[in-house]
This record gives sequence, structure tokens and C-alpha cells, in this order.
Amino acid sequence: GQNIDQPTEMTATEGAIVQINCTYQTSGFNGLFWYQQHAGEAPTFLSYNVLDGLEEKGRFSSFLSRSKGYSYLLLKELQMKDSASYLCAVGSYNTDKLIFGTGTRLQVFP
Amino acid sequence: SQTIHQWPATLVQPVGSPLSLECTVEGTSNPNLYWYRQAAGRGLQLLFYSVGIGQISSEVPQNLSASRPQDRQFILSSKKLLLSDSGFYLCAWSGDRDNEQFFGPGTRLTVL
Repeated sequence: GQNIDQPTEMTATEGAIVQINCTYQTSGFNGLFWYQQHAGEAPTFLSYNVLDGLEEKGRFSSFLSRSKGYSYLLLKELQMKDSASYLCAVGSYNTDKLIFGTGTRLQVFP
Repeated sequence: SQTIHQWPATLVQPVGSPLSLECTVEGTSNPNLYWYRQAAGRGLQLLFYSVGIGQISSEVPQNLSASRPQDRQFILSSKKLLLSDSGFYLCAWSGDRDNEQFFGPGTRLTVL
């Protein structure tokens, strides 16, 4: 079957670095997505990994290891506006659906 | 560019009343369309998805239904709302390139 695990909540300090982990199980892996969702708003796309390695985009980076079924989202130089839920989602060749994790709620404190 | 619209933005309905939420996509053709529900502080629950006109796949048993009368229109309905139907309803679309999904602004439904 398909399964995604990520921590429920994390806290960090403004200016710090935080790593949000995601482990998954799926057949026909076709990419891993990270979305950011502020409270009361729709999720917005952050990153997409389909090959192993690190993808960097400004203060955000995402890493993928397909053999380990593992990804992480790295947020650097945290800002208060980074307080949000971060959703890990996996695509599969076998389906037109994305399987979403329950999300990690990140709180950034001054 | 592609855009996705949902309406209404917020809705308060009494238990037992009907529901109709609409989602439309512009700037693309033959998208895959999805309806999700998100309860307060919870993850996304996929309710329905559609790969073409008139083609609906239901993910969970419930008192909701979906229809796709046109290529870029996706409607979520209920004949009689339950209290448990309260939540944040999100419509999303994806294209052929990969599974990336783009979300609409959402409808916040409160059933009283």
C-alpha cells in the first residue's frame, strides 16, 4: 500500500535552520512534492524531487533518497512568515492521485 | 496561464440542507480534477477525482457526490448535509507532465 509519515509539529527560532523529514512507501514512485499551507489558506507548491539528491531554491531545499523512501525539507534563515504547515506528497505512475502526509505544523518563535 | 476558481469562499449551512460547491479551471484542457476535504488542524482527505468529463472516482464512502459536466468544471454536492461535513474544501487540478497539483483558494463550510 501507500503510506507517508512526517512529524506532527515542530518549533524553531527565527534565523535558525529546521529540517522536516518525510518517509514514504509507494509503488511506481513518480516524484515527491512539498507544499506549504498557511492557516486557512490553500496549499502552495514548494518543491518537486524525482531524482535522488538535493534541490535548492532560495532559503528552501528539498532532498530525496528513493532507495530509502526518504525526503526532507530544509528551511534556512527562518522567518516568522515561515510558520505554516508543510505537506509531503508522493506521486505514483500507477495512479493519477497524490498521496499526502498529514502535514508538519511549524511554529517559528522570535 | 492557468487559474483555478472556487466558490463560494465561505458557506454556513444548516444540517439537512443541500450543498453545491463549484470549481472551474482556466488556461488548460483535459485536466485531472480533485476534491479534498481538510478538517481543522488535519491533513488533506481526497474525496473524489476525475480524469475526464463524466468520469468520477470516489475515494471514501460518504453522503457527498461529485460531477464533471464540462471539461474544466467540477462540482461537489450533497442532498443532506451532516455536522461532520464541516471543513475546508479544496479543489485541485493537475496536467499530463507530472502529478503536481495546483490548488484553488478553498471553500470553508460550516454546518450548524
